[in-house]
Amino acid sequence: DTAVSQTPKYLVTQMGNDKSIKCEQNLGHDTMYWYKQDSKKFLKIMFSYNNKELIINETVPNRFSPKSPDKAHLNLHINSLELGDSAVYFCASSLVGSETQYFGPGTRLLVL
Amino acid sequence: AQSVTQLGSHVSVSEGALVLLRCNYSSSVPPYLFWYVQYPNQGLQLLLKYTTGATLVKGINGFEAEFKKSETSFHLTKPSAHMSDAAEYFCAVTSTGTYKYIFGTGTRLKVLA
Repeated sequence: DTAVSQTPKYLVTQMGNDKSIKCEQNLGHDTMYWYKQDSKKFLKIMFSYNNKELIINETVPNRFSPKSPDKAHLNLHINSLELGDSAVYFCASSLVGSETQYFGPGTRLLVL
Repeated sequence: AQSVTQLGSHVSVSEGALVLLRCNYSSSVPPYLFWYVQYPNQGLQLLLKYTTGATLVKGINGFEAEFKKSETSFHLTKPSAHMSDAAEYFCAVTSTGTYKYIFGTGTRLKVLA
């Protein structure tokens, strides 16, 4: 069983569209994250959620809206997609008290 | 604030040679340090971590790293490179209650036959 899963794996869309990426973890963790990996492979935190509450919003444009319906899920909705949003988005999870994060396989977003 | 510097964006070694990937960190609080590996078009896989205790940590695939507080370093080593080690390697730092990793810029390891 996959510990942290993301859907879809690939996403190709036009500028201006709205899209969502879903993340689920079956590890029983209470903290979930979204990271963005740009074309130069640089990884940067976007959001952190603990027990469904937003803990970190790292100056991400408000076109990005995370939603955590429960502790096992953290979805990312992106409005009005721009060319610069093209990247790989990684979801991760961890347990408070253990700082080890487990990453999903990534969603490769290409905005045309 | 925390930061990570990975020296060398590209490292090439011959198969069977020593692998050394460098990571230096900055942290005003006790750090937790990690190495992750990313194979092409794949996710991030944890290689090893240092939280507390023994400063020499062993990970998967024969890799190890040593936490040196005096040098603020956490370099990754492997005695003998294998072709399958070719990948991108990321060092990351965090600490208790920060709810995020700070990643280095990555080092692409190339293994030559």
